[in-house]
Amino acid sequence: DIVMTQSPDSLAVSLGERATINCKSSQSVLTSPNNKNFLAWYQQKPGQPPKLLIYWASTRASGVPDRFTGSGSGTDFTLTISGLQAEDVAVYYCQQYYTTPYTFGQGTKLDIK
Amino acid sequence: EVQLVESGGGLVHPGGSLRLSCAASGFTFNGYSMSWVRQAPGKGLQYISHFTGGRGDFYYTDSLKGRFTMSVDNAKNSVYLQMNSLRAEDTAVYYCARVLAWGWFDSWGQGTLVTVSS
Repeated sequence: DIVMTQSPDSLAVSLGERATINCKSSQSVLTSPNNKNFLAWYQQKPGQPPKLLIYWASTRASGVPDRFTGSGSGTDFTLTISGLQAEDVAVYYCQQYYTTPYTFGQGTKLDIK
Repeated sequence: EVQLVESGGGLVHPGGSLRLSCAASGFTFNGYSMSWVRQAPGKGLQYISHFTGGRGDFYYTDSLKGRFTMSVDNAKNSVYLQMNSLRAEDTAVYYCARVLAWGWFDSWGQGTLVTVSS
């Protein structure tokens, strides 16, 4: 199975500042024919199901604000939240869909400093 | 609007069985891939299984294969998860999710809580 490891486990950022969450896969999730990274990001607020933010490592899902940016390739990926807002407090997960079983990172808890 | 509604959760004794249901609406169910994902209390997300709408194949995480079985009823726009020989560590919220294209989960239900305890 592909192991997804996120860092840090938690972080606190001031309102309006930038938050950076990292995700590392135990093997590459990049396919060479079409140069796609099989990597998604989700946001989960307390008491709610996860919400899709990003797929193909950098494509925002419908309705996701442009302050959420996904980047990276191969085995190293980053979710950046620019201009942090109070509503962004949540746990964030990365997920690979390169191969089954699909696997998630352990999650990164984001709070306001 | 895509809606996924899980049901069937509850309290079950260790060794018991439970069948979860997920009713889908708001989209043409036939042809879409669907998945089950669980989340133990205070823990992260764990993929359980998924069904590929196009090929009709089922996939499972190895650790649950043999105890958990996913099924689909296109006539009822529903997917199911049969869980047998339940253990305390199976206590979790179980989510149904729609799987798009190559494997990201674009829509999620609210989840149903399964508690395995004597």
